[in-house]
Amino acid sequence: AQSVTQLGSHVSVSEGALVLLRCNYSSSVPPYLFWYVQYPNQGLQLLLKYTTGATLVKGINGFEAEFKKSETSFHLTKPSAHMSDAAEYFCAVSGPGTYKYIFGTGTRLKVLA
Amino acid sequence: SQTIHQWPATLVQPVGSPLSLECTVEGTSNPNLYWYRQAAGRGLQLLFYSVGIGQISSEVPQNLSASRPQDRQFILSSKKLLLSDSGFYLCAWSGQTEQFFGPGTRLTVL
Repeated sequence: AQSVTQLGSHVSVSEGALVLLRCNYSSSVPPYLFWYVQYPNQGLQLLLKYTTGATLVKGINGFEAEFKKSETSFHLTKPSAHMSDAAEYFCAVSGPGTYKYIFGTGTRLKVLA
Repeated sequence: SQTIHQWPATLVQPVGSPLSLECTVEGTSNPNLYWYRQAAGRGLQLLFYSVGIGQISSEVPQNLSASRPQDRQFILSSKKLLLSDSGFYLCAWSGQTEQFFGPGTRLTVL
């Protein structure tokens, strides 16, 4: 079985500050982990993914995430927030041979001027 | 490159009316296809997924149904809409690892 927990349904940061969105997962198989971003009234866009290999993965728009197996975490970070980063972010888990993707409940990021 | 289309973009329907939402994928063959619903302020709820033509798996028993008449076409239907069917409906496809999402359909049932 797989599950995802996103800590903090709402996160506010100042423009230029570090963005940290937390995601913890559980999985009975080696996980595939994803971060998606959703802007209002749009579909989800893939930011980055981890499948195998390097545990620090870089994505679009300056975001990166680190897979930490011992902590069962896949937190999303960005060194400097931009106003355009304001959106909802979803963490998801899947795995090899599985058809289902388990999504967290989402974190709404607000960027303050 | 792959593209996923959904239509209509928005829909307002009365309670008890039928529903048909369509999703098509271009640029790939034999994709896994998915229907999700987002209620206001909530996460994604998986409704149906399909691994091939005519193969539909239902995740949540409800008054919705899905069909896959062609390899890259996925249709979400209802015979009689309920107020609780309002939401944002997302179609997605997956290949080897990640999912790719369509632009969504905003359904309001009045």
